[in-house]
Amino acid sequence: DAGVTQSPTHLIKTRGQQVTLRCSPKSGHDTVSWYQQALGQGPQFIFQYYEEEERQRGNFPDRFSGHQFPNYSSELNVNALLLGDSALYLCASSLVGGNTDTQYFGPGTRLTVL
Amino acid sequence: DAKTTQPNSMESNEEEPVHLPCNHSTISGTDYIHWYRQLPSQGPEYVIHGLTSNVNNRMASLAIAEDRKSSTLILHRATLRDAAVYYCILRDVRAGNQFYFGTGTSLTVIP
Repeated sequence: DAGVTQSPTHLIKTRGQQVTLRCSPKSGHDTVSWYQQALGQGPQFIFQYYEEEERQRGNFPDRFSGHQFPNYSSELNVNALLLGDSALYLCASSLVGGNTDTQYFGPGTRLTVL
Repeated sequence: DAKTTQPNSMESNEEEPVHLPCNHSTISGTDYIHWYRQLPSQGPEYVIHGLTSNVNNRMASLAIAEDRKSSTLILHRATLRDAAVYYCILRDVRAGNQFYFGTGTSLTVIP
């Protein structure tokens, strides 16, 4: 049973560029959440997707957007990258209507903005 | 967002019990208490959760104060593989399934 997978593992971009990160949820899960984790900090909630719609959003600007596909996989897009966007981006999946107490996290994508 | 307060770091000797405290004085009646841990270079991993009663699973125990304003994660016998950052999180069931993490407690296990 594959867990949550994320790609790419590492990414280097320059200021002003755009980036797309990808996430495949754990088998059987239908909800995907994205988190940003700066160095030495806990993960910060960005947004959550369910039924291909953004259901919840944290305190992040509109430069951060996402998408969920019919197969429940998800993308996180960040436009006009800033140096402060350098972080580990984590994807977590869960099952709405099932045991919604547990989120399963992927290993993350390390984004470096130069 | 309900907040949690944890010590920045703790140390434990291998094979001894570890008690990781968490204060959440602003907890509401619908907040679940969750614990996750994050090993180096990995995403967070579920440990345990509860609402009002103490909970046990194969990984740990969760002791919740009667007024629910604090809780303690108990690792019964610390191993070197338990060295990680432990996060105490409050999840409001009315606000969806997202978690609001603090900075966590970095646990060092001494051989």
